Amino acid sequence: DVKVTQSSRYLVKRTGEKVFLECVQDMDHENMFWYRQDPGLGLRLIYFSYDVKMKEKGDIPEGYSVSREKKERFSLILESASTNQTSMYLCASSVRGFRLNYGYTFGSGTRLTVV
Amino acid sequence: DAKTTQPTSMDCAEGRAANLPCNHSTISGNEYVYWYRQIHSQGPQYIIHGLKNNETNEMASLIITEDRKSSTLILPHATLRDTAVYYCIVRVYNTDKLIFGTGTRLQVFP
Repeated sequence: DVKVTQSSRYLVKRTGEKVFLECVQDMDHENMFWYRQDPGLGLRLIYFSYDVKMKEKGDIPEGYSVSREKKERFSLILESASTNQTSMYLCASSVRGFRLNYGYTFGSGTRLTVV
Repeated sequence: DAKTTQPTSMDCAEGRAANLPCNHSTISGNEYVYWYRQIHSQGPQYIIHGLKNNETNEMASLIITEDRKSSTLILPHATLRDTAVYYCIVRVYNTDKLIFGTGTRLQVFP
């Protein structure tokens, strides 16, 4: 019954590496989102996408990029990983507009450690 | 964007009602209030949402004040499995964007 799948639960990468975090949803949702979660800071929006090939910056886009080539897949890219990007990353999806009855469906998260 | 203010933490005895408050004094007329919760090591889970009227579902009730500047999430009979962080969120008008804060950590004790 998994609906939003994040490719890795735990990930360890080295400083300077290019990192891809993958998210796939099977609910035919138009919207997809990437958040990061840090202790004391809650969830902060990095990027979101309303449609294929469309993206908008969230509150903390610096150091990240995204790709959405297919409706079901939304990738978060760390071009050159740094230690301050060590965090829990959460992907979410939702239907578009005021049909947003239940809001977002979240994945289980990817805990990324950059060493 | 409308901001929300929640207490950092609360306790509740098992079987009692848990009342979680939220202030959103800058909310606009067309902005919805959403509640989510996050159990440790999982992604946040939708609970309930509302605009003006009180709402109830199988998980909880949402009471929104008449001036809409605050709301209360009510878990009528809290269980140990309700221990989680609860987020009150105002949906940004005319977008599908949800801005999360730091939430309230609810601890249900036996």
